[in-house]
Amino acid sequence: GAGVSQSPRYKVAKRGQDVALRCDPISGHVSLFWYQQALGQGPEFLTYFQNEAQLDKSGLPSDRFFAERPEGSVSTLKIQRTQQEDSAVYLCASSLPRTGGAYEQYFGPGTRLTVT
Amino acid sequence: RKEVEQDPGPFNVPEGATVAFNCTYSNSASQSFFWYRQDCRKEPKLLMSVYSSGNEDGRFTAQLNRASQYISLLIRDSKLSDSATYLCVVNPNTGGFKTIFGAGTRLFVKA
Repeated sequence: GAGVSQSPRYKVAKRGQDVALRCDPISGHVSLFWYQQALGQGPEFLTYFQNEAQLDKSGLPSDRFFAERPEGSVSTLKIQRTQQEDSAVYLCASSLPRTGGAYEQYFGPGTRLTVT
Repeated sequence: RKEVEQDPGPFNVPEGATVAFNCTYSNSASQSFFWYRQDCRKEPKLLMSVYSSGNEDGRFTAQLNRASQYISLLIRDSKLSDSATYLCVVNPNTGGFKTIFGAGTRLFVKA
């Protein structure tokens, strides 16, 4: 079946521009995660959705970052007034939650954002 | 202290060798543990879950040591295709849904 897809795959933004990154999870996966991965580091948690509810946004680095999943399927991560430090790969992952909260996550290919 | 720590490596091993990685975690209440592999410029892919009783999948064995708060990954009979970064993943069970990834251990398997 189809995996997680993300678009665009690459995005170059000038400092100060707003960007929107899209994630299409695996059909039927109620859980959706967003991560930010800097070069040479592991993915850093940004936010978590269960269906359309954003249950954890503790990892969003500032109020310039905003995520939504209005119909419980496709999700969008928006970054306002981009800064150079926002340059990273943004990864989306989806999963079916298992008993005890164990999340086996399936990742999309990521969006590589470069802010110039 | 970081919440999840891994030796960054790199580990350089010949084909056929056995190699082991450890990963330590700081929160004793952590409940779920995983190993992912990530190839260069690709997304992480789930390798295996780590259960309290251990888990084996072919050449790969994962163990959990709750007393010492670490998980391990053992790869036997290494293949060239095992060359990748191995990421340790922990759900800290702190009331939210945050998943914590280690920075990864790089493995190079040489012919």
